[in-house]
Amino acid sequence: EAGVTQFPSHSVIEKGQTVTLRCDPISGHDNLYWYRRVMGKEIKFLLHFVKESKQDESGMPNNRFLAERTGGTYSTLKVQPAELEDSGVYFCASSQEFGSGAEQYFGPGTRLTVT
Amino acid sequence: GQNIDQPTEMTATEGAIVQINCTYQTSGFNGLFWYQQHAGEAPTFLSYNVLDGLEEKGRFSSFLSRSKGYSYLLLKELQMKDSASYLCAVILRQAGTALIFGKGTTLSVSS
Repeated sequence: EAGVTQFPSHSVIEKGQTVTLRCDPISGHDNLYWYRRVMGKEIKFLLHFVKESKQDESGMPNNRFLAERTGGTYSTLKVQPAELEDSGVYFCASSQEFGSGAEQYFGPGTRLTVT
Repeated sequence: GQNIDQPTEMTATEGAIVQINCTYQTSGFNGLFWYQQHAGEAPTFLSYNVLDGLEEKGRFSSFLSRSKGYSYLLLKELQMKDSASYLCAVILRQAGTALIFGKGTTLSVSS
């Protein structure tokens, strides 16, 4: 069974540009999560999809971030325009079950550097 | 606010036992996870505790005390491959399935 995959693995962009990150969850997992780790800080929750619907987007930092999951399969996270403080590692995770005990399977992350 | 504390770094030798502590002060609690993350790789699930007590899984065990806001991960018979970052994460009742992470503990195992 393939794990959670993320593309690209690394991205370097200039301030003001747009970047789109992609996440492919484990097949059959309805729940998809985005997290972010800024250097020196802990991994922080961004949002949670159940199928194509946003269940919880309380962690999205501002309206420069747009997440979509059309069709309830893969998801994209767009940052437009990117700022220096957006640099970090963006993780995607998926789970089959919904609820507090559901194991979340993480992807390897996309390292975003904004210069 | 939510606060989860772990030691930043720990060192140990092959074959030894190490205990990584995690304390949390959160507004609500619905379970605690431990994840292992090797550099540049995905965090991988190790354990989930929601009731007080010890959960054992091979060389790894995890303990939870809800009254003390405290958990530990115990690694026995350490191997070089156990060198990694160990992440403590809490699920809050209000937040549904969002994980609240500590900063992680980097464990270095030497021969």
